[in-house]
Amino acid sequence: QKEVEQDPGPLSVPEGAIVSLNCTYSNSAFQYFMWYRQYSRKGPELLMYTYSSGNKEDGRFTAQVDKSSKYISLFIRDSQPSDSATYLCAGIGRRGSTLGRLYFGRGTQLTVWP
Amino acid sequence: NAGVTQTPKFQVLKTGQSMTLQCAQDMNHEYMSWYRQDPGMGLRLIHYSVGAGITDQGEVPNGYNVSRSTTEDFPLRLLSAAPSQTSVYFCASSYSAGEGYGYTFGSGTRLTVV
Repeated sequence: QKEVEQDPGPLSVPEGAIVSLNCTYSNSAFQYFMWYRQYSRKGPELLMYTYSSGNKEDGRFTAQVDKSSKYISLFIRDSQPSDSATYLCAGIGRRGSTLGRLYFGRGTQLTVWP
Repeated sequence: NAGVTQTPKFQVLKTGQSMTLQCAQDMNHEYMSWYRQDPGMGLRLIHYSVGAGITDQGEVPNGYNVSRSTTEDFPLRLLSAAPSQTSVYFCASSYSAGEGYGYTFGSGTRLTVV
C-alpha cells in the first residue's frame, strides 16, 4: 500500500464547475500536506500547503485536511480551462522516515473544457 | 534567485554509459530530493538528503548514486545506464521545517537510454 493514495482520474468538467480532488494517507507521522499542480511537460509547482487539520483558502482554491480520517482534499471553485493539469497531493513529517521525505500520490489528471 | 536548476534538459545515452545529472539551488535549502516520473507511475523518490553530508535512499535507488558535499548541489549519478532508466528526472529542494516547507522543483531532465 502506498503511503498516499490518489485516484488518477482522468476527471473532466465544464468551465465554472466546482472540482473536488481527494487523497487518503496511511502514515500518522505526516504533519504537513501539500498540493502540487503539474502542467504537461513541466515540473510540479506548489499550489497549497497546510499544517494540521482544517481548511486553508487561497483565491479559488481551498485545501482541507482531516487527520482523524486521514483525508486530504482540494477544492477548485469556478474552474477555468487554465486549471487543466495534473494535481498531486503529498505528505511529509518531521521525524523518522518522514523527515525531509515528501510522499506523493499518483496524481489526478484534470481537464476543464470551455 | 534562480531557484532549482537542472542540467542537462535533454540527454540520450547508450546502454552501459554513465552520466551525472546536475542539480543546484540558490535558496539555502537544507532538504533536496531526486524523483523520476514515468507514465502512470507518478513521482517516485530515488534519493534524498536532509543536509550536506547526509543522504538516504528512496523508493527506487538501484542504479543511482548521490552525494551532498555542499548545501547547494545534489548530483545524481547513473552508474551503468539501462533502458529501464528512460524517464523524466526532477530535482527538488525545501527548507527544513515551518512555513515554506514545500519543495520547489526544477524543470526536469528528459533522459532516453537506447
